[in-house]
Amino acid sequence: KAGVTQTPRYLIKTRGQQVTLSCSPISGHRSVSWYQQTPGQGLQFLFEYFSETQRNKGNFPGRFSGRQFSNSRSEMNVSTLELGDSALYLCASSFTGEGNTIYFGEGSWLTVV
Amino acid sequence: AQRVTQPEKLLSVFKGAPVELKCNYSYSGSPELFWYVQYSRQRLQLLLRHISRESIKGFTADLNKGETSFHLKKPFAQEEDSAMYYCALKKDDKIIFGKGTRLHILP
Repeated sequence: KAGVTQTPRYLIKTRGQQVTLSCSPISGHRSVSWYQQTPGQGLQFLFEYFSETQRNKGNFPGRFSGRQFSNSRSEMNVSTLELGDSALYLCASSFTGEGNTIYFGEGSWLTVV
Repeated sequence: AQRVTQPEKLLSVFKGAPVELKCNYSYSGSPELFWYVQYSRQRLQLLLRHISRESIKGFTADLNKGETSFHLKKPFAQEEDSAMYYCALKKDDKIIFGKGTRLHILP
């Protein structure tokens, strides 16, 4: 069965723009979480959605937002991009989130110039 | 606050030698701990979790609540073990990762 799919894989944006990243979870998985990976900070939790509801949120500014659709697909949006937002954004899915193995996508590489 | 600490950014070990990747955590409760691995050009994947008490690819990890540690061990390193390893702690529905240790196996 297909793994977690993220699009786009690579993108370049300029400061001040906004970006939307998409994630399609493994079929049947209802929990989707997002992480930011940078060399300096490592992997940091952004937020987690289950059945279209945000259940958990990390310590990121309000410029970072997300949503989940009824088919469990999720998007995350970053507005007013800053250079420091350059990172690999990883999406992960699991069946319920609790006690279930989470599976990661390959990520979306965002470069802000 | 919950935190996961991996003190080594890089660990170089000769092939056939024992490996120990250190992980310490701070958590006010019963932790659920994991090790994730990312091989070159591959996605992040679960290696093992403490509740399973399993051995995967020869790796084991024991939760030591007294020392708040969850070190990853393998008795004999293999070249294919070269990768980035992340220790992680699960709190509610989010996973808190350490900053990772790059394991480099020397021939």
